[in-house]
Amino acid sequence: EVQLVESGGVVIQPGGSLRLSCAASGFTFDDYTMHWVRQAPGKGLEWVSLIRWDGGTTYYADSVKGRFTISRDNSKNSLYLQMNSLRTEDTAFYYCVKDGGGYYHMDVWGQGTTVIVSS
Amino acid sequence: QSVLTQPPSVSAAPGQKVTISCSGSSSNIGNNYVSWYQHLPGTAPKLLIYDNNKRPSGIPDRFSGSKSGTSATLGITGLQTGDEADYCCGTWDSSLSAYVFGTGTKVTVL
Repeated sequence: EVQLVESGGVVIQPGGSLRLSCAASGFTFDDYTMHWVRQAPGKGLEWVSLIRWDGGTTYYADSVKGRFTISRDNSKNSLYLQMNSLRTEDTAFYYCVKDGGGYYHMDVWGQGTTVIVSS
Repeated sequence: QSVLTQPPSVSAAPGQKVTISCSGSSSNIGNNYVSWYQHLPGTAPKLLIYDNNKRPSGIPDRFSGSKSGTSATLGITGLQTGDEADYCCGTWDSSLSAYVFGTGTKVTVL
């Protein structure tokens, strides 16, 4: 069974740093692009970042560019999101998502982890 | 704010059909493939349609997708109470070099 399990969500003060992790299982992790997607309270889905299979190509939403860094460790079947200079507007539920391959589409979603940025 | 526009809500009686539109531009829908996601409260989103009109295994054929120009449409036939959820389109935006989601549409079964 394909499974994605996020961890690392906490309550943190503005300006702080945090690293989210995602443990993947049930598929060949290093064959696939991976994404982070978030949903703020009362808002819709917002794509955050993606990283291609070998980690050589990454993309970011403008809202997090320069503050967040996506990375992966294929030897550990793990995806990460380093979040720096956190803002209150980064408060959201963060999902780790597997891409389906081919043209970008998100076929497997984790259950998510909550990040609350508040003083 | 999202570059893909959807109606905030649609509704219909059980057994009826609803369609949800997703309007974009040449930099996203016009030149890329569209996906649709279902999001029920308290659960992870689910992929319903990818590559404009393909259904992953396990998704019933009551769900269909189409694309024309810079717009895409999700259709749901034989509406069921379990279909009450938020539905969201998504695609790559070549100008932004970013994946973009639609504004989301809440489906209500009357």
